[in-house]
Amino acid sequence: DGGITQSPKYLFRKEGQNVTLSCEQNLNHDAMYWYRQDPGQGLRLIYYSQIVNDFQKGDIAEGYSVSREKKESFPLTVTSAQKNPTAFYLCASSMRANYGYTFGSGTRLTVV
Amino acid sequence: DAKTTQPPSMDCAEGRAANLPCNHSTISGNEYVYWYRQIHSQGPQYIIHGLKNNETNEMASLIITEDRKSSTLILPHATLRDTAVYYCIAADLAHGSSNTGKLIFGQGTTLQVKP
Repeated sequence: DGGITQSPKYLFRKEGQNVTLSCEQNLNHDAMYWYRQDPGQGLRLIYYSQIVNDFQKGDIAEGYSVSREKKESFPLTVTSAQKNPTAFYLCASSMRANYGYTFGSGTRLTVV
Repeated sequence: DAKTTQPPSMDCAEGRAANLPCNHSTISGNEYVYWYRQIHSQGPQYIIHGLKNNETNEMASLIITEDRKSSTLILPHATLRDTAVYYCIAADLAHGSSNTGKLIFGQGTTLQVKP
């Protein structure tokens, strides 16, 4: 079955460490997105990529980095520069057409 | 992308129809109306989308006013499993530039289905 996979589901890291969240899709979608969600809040866009080897900052890109070396993969690195990294991170993908997004099941990152 | 306005919360009795409103008075001609829902601690789930005409699928119906300034998502027979946050978004994903063509999520409507 085609889908979008995020791993791991739960992640714990010590403060000051960089951590990379995985997002893989086999839907042949061109565009991929990373969102952050804090408790009781909506989703905020971190980074997005509409094509391989190209990506743009979203609304809250500071302290995060991404790469898009393959169409299927869009990993997100949460760096030590991110002041409040504890959150629920969601990855999505889409065709560049009006069909909407497919979301992964999310990674819950806790920094202690 | 056009901004949308939704009530923060709604209740619905189990088995009854849930009607969730959304205002998008600044929607442009190329922007579709998308509805997603998010059950606690899960990724958002696509429900339905439309441009001008009313749409129906196995999950819900979408009613868009003739002037396209508002819409209503209808869950015809709500169940307890429909309890979730429902997001209404207006966007043009096919023709977006670097500043558009993305799904921007607001706070949504928290629908509580009660027995």
